[in-house]
Amino acid sequence: NAGVTQTPKFQVLKTGQSMTLQCAQDMNHNSMYWYRQDPGMGLRLIYYSASEGTTDKGEVPNGYNVSRLNKREFSLRLESAAPSQTSVYFCASSEGQGDTEAFFGQGTRLTVV
Amino acid sequence: QKEVEQDPGPLSVPEGAIVSLNCTYSNSAFQYFMWYRQYSRKGPELLMYTYSSGNKEDGRFTAQVDKSSKYISLFIRDSQPSDSATYLCATSYSSASKIIFGSGTRLSIRP
Repeated sequence: NAGVTQTPKFQVLKTGQSMTLQCAQDMNHNSMYWYRQDPGMGLRLIYYSASEGTTDKGEVPNGYNVSRLNKREFSLRLESAAPSQTSVYFCASSEGQGDTEAFFGQGTRLTVV
Repeated sequence: QKEVEQDPGPLSVPEGAIVSLNCTYSNSAFQYFMWYRQYSRKGPELLMYTYSSGNKEDGRFTAQVDKSSKYISLFIRDSQPSDSATYLCATSYSSASKIIFGSGTRLSIRP
């Protein structure tokens, strides 16, 4: 049982480049999330998807787009990377119906130079 | 004002001590309260969750929610070096709503 799988684990981008962070879960969860974690800032919600076909902005959505491709997959896209987007990105999923436990992936360490 | 406030620490205590970690939140509509533990360079994992007010105990860990003062606490008894990690409190309005995290408290247990 893999849980939540994120790819890639590490990435270095140049300013202005674009990339997509991939996330897949195999727990048949309804809700999926993208967070970024910066020192002293905790986990800040970028976007979330309460169920397949829906997405909503979180606390820090600017500069990002998401796609809930199907129930398993939720991708995060940076259209034009900026140094301020250097961070550790975590994808998470939860059942979303009577169960709030969120399961996290191992994270993607992104550096924008 | 952030919806969930948490003292970032770091907090360093000797092995065997009782640890108290705390958060405050701003919105009385929050119903679910959670504590996550995050080891270095790993994703967070759920430690405990509580629905509405009250206490919940699991081994050496006790989670406490006081909705009247909008205060969330986690107590760790007989702390061990393996408890050294960052602890994040979290809340949500319902089981299907977004989960909002505090900034995390870095805890170190000295042998």
